[in-house]
Amino acid sequence: EVQLVESGGGLVQPGRSLKLSCAASGFTFSNYYMAWVRQAPKKGLEWVATISTSGSRTYYPDSVKGRFTISRDNAKSSLYLQMNSLKSEDTATYYCALLRTHFDYWGQGVMVTVSS
Amino acid sequence: DIQMTQSPSSLPASLGERVTISCRASQGISNNLNWYQQKPDGTIKPLIYYTSNLQSGVPSRFSGSGSGTDYSLTISRLEPEDFAMYYCQQDASFPNTFGAGTKLELK
Repeated sequence: EVQLVESGGGLVQPGRSLKLSCAASGFTFSNYYMAWVRQAPKKGLEWVATISTSGSRTYYPDSVKGRFTISRDNAKSSLYLQMNSLKSEDTATYYCALLRTHFDYWGQGVMVTVSS
Repeated sequence: DIQMTQSPSSLPASLGERVTISCRASQGISNNLNWYQQKPDGTIKPLIYYTSNLQSGVPSRFSGSGSGTDYSLTISRLEPEDFAMYYCQQDASFPNTFGAGTKLELK
C-alpha cells in the first residue's frame, strides 16, 4: 500500500526558513517523479514543485522559484521541500504527491503557518 | 500560464441525481486533464486522468470527457460519499494549474 507521510510543518516567522519532509513507502520510490502541492486556508490547490527520479531536474512555478528547493533521497525513500524567505502567502497545507501520469497518490498534508 | 476556469463553483444536488462539472482551459491542453476529489478532512484522491481514464478503485458512476479546451466530469447517480470538493488540473505544460474547485453540496 502506497503511503506518503509529511512532517516538518509548524509556525514560522516571515523571512525565515523551514524544511518539509515526506516519507514514502509501498512503492519503488526511485522510479517515480514526485511533487509538492499546497492549499492555502479556504483556497484551492496550487502546484509547488516537481522533481525527476534522480533529482537532476526540478520544476517550480514563479510564485516559489528561487525561494523553494525540492530534493529527494532515494536511499531513504524521502522527499524534501526547503522553503526559504517565507512570506505570509506561503501559509498553507503542503501535500506530498506521487507523480505518474498524474498526481496518483497524496499524503495527508502538513500545515505551515507564516506569521509574526 | 494556462488558466483553468471551473464551473459551477457551487453545485447543490440530490441523492441519485446526475451532475456535471465543467472545466475550460485558456488554451488547448490535448486531453491532459485530470480530476481530483477532496473530502472535508482534507484527503485528496484522483478520480479521472487524461480526460477519461478512471482511476483504479473509483466507482464507474464517475466519468470524464472533453477535448481541446473544454472538459467535464459527470457523476451519474450521486451517492452520499460524493458530496465533496472537485478540482480539475492540467498537466499539458508547466506550471501545472488547477481549477478553483466545485463544491458539490446536498440540496
